[in-house]
Amino acid sequence: DTGVSQDPRHKITKRGQNVTFRCDPISEHNRLYWYRQTLGQGPEFLTYFQNEAQLEKSRLLSDRFSAERPKGSFSTLEIQRTEQGDSAMYLCASSFGTGETEAFFGQGTRLTVV
Amino acid sequence: AQSVSQHNHHVILSEAASLELGCNYSYGGTVNLFWYVQYPGQHLQLLLKYFSGDPLVKGIKGFEAEFIKSKFSFNLRKPSVQWSDTAEYFCAVNAYYGQNFVFGPGTRLSVLP
Repeated sequence: DTGVSQDPRHKITKRGQNVTFRCDPISEHNRLYWYRQTLGQGPEFLTYFQNEAQLEKSRLLSDRFSAERPKGSFSTLEIQRTEQGDSAMYLCASSFGTGETEAFFGQGTRLTVV
Repeated sequence: AQSVSQHNHHVILSEAASLELGCNYSYGGTVNLFWYVQYPGQHLQLLLKYFSGDPLVKGIKGFEAEFIKSKFSFNLRKPSVQWSDTAEYFCAVNAYYGQNFVFGPGTRLSVLP
């Protein structure tokens, strides 16, 4: 499968624990995006990388959230001290270039904080 | 900042009925426009896209959308829906030289057999 892959698919964690998600974009895609989606809502933008540089972060992204893309390939999203409000689907997408470009999405990681 | 609104939260249709889902965006510059579909339990998939040229674009599964620049709209249409079209539909916009993709809240389509 050469699409965007995310791991794990599901994560259940206790409030206060830290969690880390991984995203592997389509190879050669230089842009990588993280979104959060709750039930009945559209994806909300969290952050975006071009190669290894994190170029934009949403105001939604609190200090407990951090993302990296160390070598411009895969990316990780860490949530520290999880709260019940963090329960959501976390989506990763990738795209190539600028101008006429589209985003390809992974299956997502569903986080449940209990 | 860009934003996207979708006219309907939930649409219920019978098979063979015609579909039109509204989408409006706010952004003054050149944009790329998209409709994504999310079938139950599946990831977001691209249905169709508009970059430039003919404002009437055709996508997969018989869907089409029309870009009306003066109205900042990109409505999705299908002449005859099928039960298998039951899904959530998201309109999205990306500034031509921009960064992130901005999504609307989605419209849930239920097609009754």
